[in-house]
Amino acid sequence: AAGVIQSPRHLIKEKRETATLKCYPIPRHDTVYWYQQGPGQDPQFLISFYEKMQSDKGSIPDRFSAQQFSDYHSELNMSSLELGDSALYFCASSPGGASWADTQYFGPGTRLTVL
Amino acid sequence: DAKTTQPNSMESNEEEPVHLPCNHSTISGTDYIHWYRQLPSQGPEYVIHGLTSNVNNRMASLAIAEDRKSSTLILHRATLRDAAVYYCILRDYGGSEKLVFGKGTKLTVNP
Repeated sequence: AAGVIQSPRHLIKEKRETATLKCYPIPRHDTVYWYQQGPGQDPQFLISFYEKMQSDKGSIPDRFSAQQFSDYHSELNMSSLELGDSALYFCASSPGGASWADTQYFGPGTRLTVL
Repeated sequence: DAKTTQPNSMESNEEEPVHLPCNHSTISGTDYIHWYRQLPSQGPEYVIHGLTSNVNNRMASLAIAEDRKSSTLILHRATLRDAAVYYCILRDYGGSEKLVFGKGTKLTVNP
């Protein structure tokens, strides 16, 4: 079965650079979530989209922005990168429109390293 | 978001049952209990969820206390592949769809 695809899988950037992470949800899933997991930490919710509209927002820095496109893929744009942004970034998708009950299917993550 | 409490770590032997507890004493009537797990170097994975009645699926069973203030995830026969961090998460009916991960339980399975 198709899974959530994230690209790139690994990314190395310098401080103050920008990065773009991409997420391709499972086909026919219309909701996308982004989570950040720092070293030794638990995943933390950043932002979510349903039908291309932002549906919820967590502790996402102002330097980060995200959007969902017409084909439902999503991109997380990160500017002015800081050392503390080094983390695993997971994307998850779910069907049926932003429901509390829907299972979220996670991708393999993008490991971002900021030097 | 209602708070859950889980032991930091547990150990089990391969092919033995594992009972992973979760306390959620402030659970509300509309909170569903979800369990996810995260295998090493992978994204979290859905395991099971329930409201009041015990639930079974191919991966695990969920036993919910009568007063709903605690629950137990049961792996009937642990395998090495079950070594992961297990998260107990409450999700409010009609509330935010985001998952709020607390401090889960790191399960070690010994061969």
